[in-house]
Amino acid sequence: DIQMTQSPSTLSASIGDRVTITCRASQSISGWLAWYQQKPGKAPKLLIYQASRLQSGVPSRFSGSGSGTEFTLTISSLQPDDFANYYCQQYSSYSLTFGGGTKVEIK
Amino acid sequence: EVQLLESGGGLVQPGGSLRLSCAASGFTFNNYAMTWVRQAPGKGLEWISAIRGSGFNTYYADSVRGRFTISTDNSGNTLFLQMNSLSAEDTAVYYCAKRGGENSGPFDFWGQGTLVTVSS
Repeated sequence: DIQMTQSPSTLSASIGDRVTITCRASQSISGWLAWYQQKPGKAPKLLIYQASRLQSGVPSRFSGSGSGTEFTLTISSLQPDDFANYYCQQYSSYSLTFGGGTKVEIK
Repeated sequence: EVQLLESGGGLVQPGGSLRLSCAASGFTFNNYAMTWVRQAPGKGLEWISAIRGSGFNTYYADSVRGRFTISTDNSGNTLFLQMNSLSAEDTAVYYCAKRGGENSGPFDFWGQGTLVTVSS
């Protein structure tokens, strides 16, 4: 199975900060990577798919980049609504895997 | 509007069985793959099973293969997860999700989740 490693596991930031989360795959997944946001007690929400495509309705301050094994999710200017958990996910293989998650908390 | 509504969760004893359902609406059900994802208390997301839109192919994580069975009732637009030989490690919120393609794609819509607790 393809392993997905996210870093950092926790990130402390302030409103307006630029935030970057990294996801590394154990083998090449081309661009078959998605990012999700999850708030406590809620279902995850798709933010980015195919590494860099913004899901409809997602604010443009979110962006994704990367290919192969290295990917990043960037929030250009952190807003109060962005404090949440973020997960990457590969869908290159039939056995799908998520990263361990990154908690973005208030500094 | 896409809607996914899970049901069937609850308290079950170790070794027992449970069947989860996910009622789908707002899209052509058999045109899209569907999937189940679970989240143990305080933990991350774990993909456990998927089925292509046609229903002909099913996929499982190693942690549930041989114990869980995914299926669909296309006439009723419903996704199921039959869970057998349950243990405490299966305690989690179970989410159903729609995929973006017939046999692939990210999980673009999610249900609200249903809690399964395995305990004596």
